[in-house]
Amino acid sequence: GQQLNQSPQSMFIQEGEDVSMNCTSSSIFNTWLWYKQDPGEGPVLLIALYKAGELTSNGRLTAQFGITRKDSFLNISASIPSDVGIYFCAIRPGTYKYIFGTGTRLKVLA
Amino acid sequence: DTGVSQDPRHKITKRGQNVTFRCDPISEHNRLYWYRQTLGQGPEFLTYFQNEAQLEKSRLLSDRFSAERPKGSFSTLEIQRTEQGDSAMYLCASSPRLAREQYFGPGTRLTVT
Repeated sequence: GQQLNQSPQSMFIQEGEDVSMNCTSSSIFNTWLWYKQDPGEGPVLLIALYKAGELTSNGRLTAQFGITRKDSFLNISASIPSDVGIYFCAIRPGTYKYIFGTGTRLKVLA
Repeated sequence: DTGVSQDPRHKITKRGQNVTFRCDPISEHNRLYWYRQTLGQGPEFLTYFQNEAQLEKSRLLSDRFSAERPKGSFSTLEIQRTEQGDSAMYLCASSPRLAREQYFGPGTRLTVT
């Protein structure tokens, strides 16, 4: 089946630092979604990407849809303690269901 | 817009018992999905409804699992004869017609003892 690799698996950063994480796939996809999940809660949609090369921002978050359509990047600027959580990328291999990566666990040190 | 809601949020049951979870999608979202998430993993697709029709079921959904969406509104997921391996977070998501985004509910955490 489809495989999504997210890196890094986890990271500790200082408050105020910028964060970068990425997601790569073995195949080409036309839609990439980025979600954040807090402990005990469902994933919350952060950014949706639909076009190769697309760069989209949502506040301090910026995500890019790789030009090869096999990868995507998520950047968080000036991190704050509430950025703590697990960040998932997701791709849509067909017309409706999504496949999720294993997540990047972010911990912010105040 | 009140978001996707799920009930209960937590369920503890003994092995062999049946459990049923409910999902209420965002109003007017005609697509509804169930996912399962185990510790340290991303959500895994279980099944998909478009209105009341169940259009796809994952191989993860064994014969003990059944999902319904009567009248194309809320959905239920039932697990019969629960096993310890069923312990997981069960997530529901919905999307509006023709949209590619999915919006998740808070999940139901199932613990089978």
